[in-house]
Amino acid sequence: DTAVSQTPKYLVTQMGNDKSIKCEQNLGHDTMYWYKQDSKKFLKIMFSYNNKELIINETVPNRFSPKSPDKAHLNLHINSLELGDSAVYFCASSQVYVPISPLHFGNGTRLTVT
Amino acid sequence: GQQLNQSPQSMFIQEGEDVSMNCTSSSIFNTWLWYKQDPGEGPVLLIALYKAGELTSNGRLTAQFGITRKDSFLNISASIPSDVGIYFCAAQGGSEKLVFGKGMKLTVNP
Repeated sequence: DTAVSQTPKYLVTQMGNDKSIKCEQNLGHDTMYWYKQDSKKFLKIMFSYNNKELIINETVPNRFSPKSPDKAHLNLHINSLELGDSAVYFCASSQVYVPISPLHFGNGTRLTVT
Repeated sequence: GQQLNQSPQSMFIQEGEDVSMNCTSSSIFNTWLWYKQDPGEGPVLLIALYKAGELTSNGRLTAQFGITRKDSFLNISASIPSDVGIYFCAAQGGSEKLVFGKGMKLTVNP
């Protein structure tokens, strides 16, 4: 049973397209996150939701829109994809946000924009 | 903003050797976490530290939360080939978001 699962694992698409990445956690956690990992492996937070409410919204283009239908799901929709969006996107969850309890990560979605 | 300086950036060692890595910052943190990422997978938690001065072991891994609350180290003893991967430190202070170091890529030669 995968604790944090995200789909798809690979996503190859052309510039200008709109795509979505889905994430689900079965850990009963209250907080979910989206991280972006660039080619240098640097992990940078994009968004965080606590009980379906947005609590962190980093300096991310508004082409990226997270949606949390319930506290077990946090999806990421990206409009008008650009070459620079190519990266690995990780979903994560934690039981508590402050003080933070350990994050459980999904296995990532490798997005390639051509 | 808060930044973590993780060093070294990479290490090449022989199987059986010990490894040390650390993270430092000019900011004070309340929580330090150490993660390992295998290729094609997400980071997995190794050790969590919640108290200044805390020293915690997990098998061959030992980590400490610095007494100044501005640093942490991770040691791996008697390395084995499956220790290869990228090791990340992460820290949170107060109500701030979790910040990650830039990672340390470990290669273990059999």
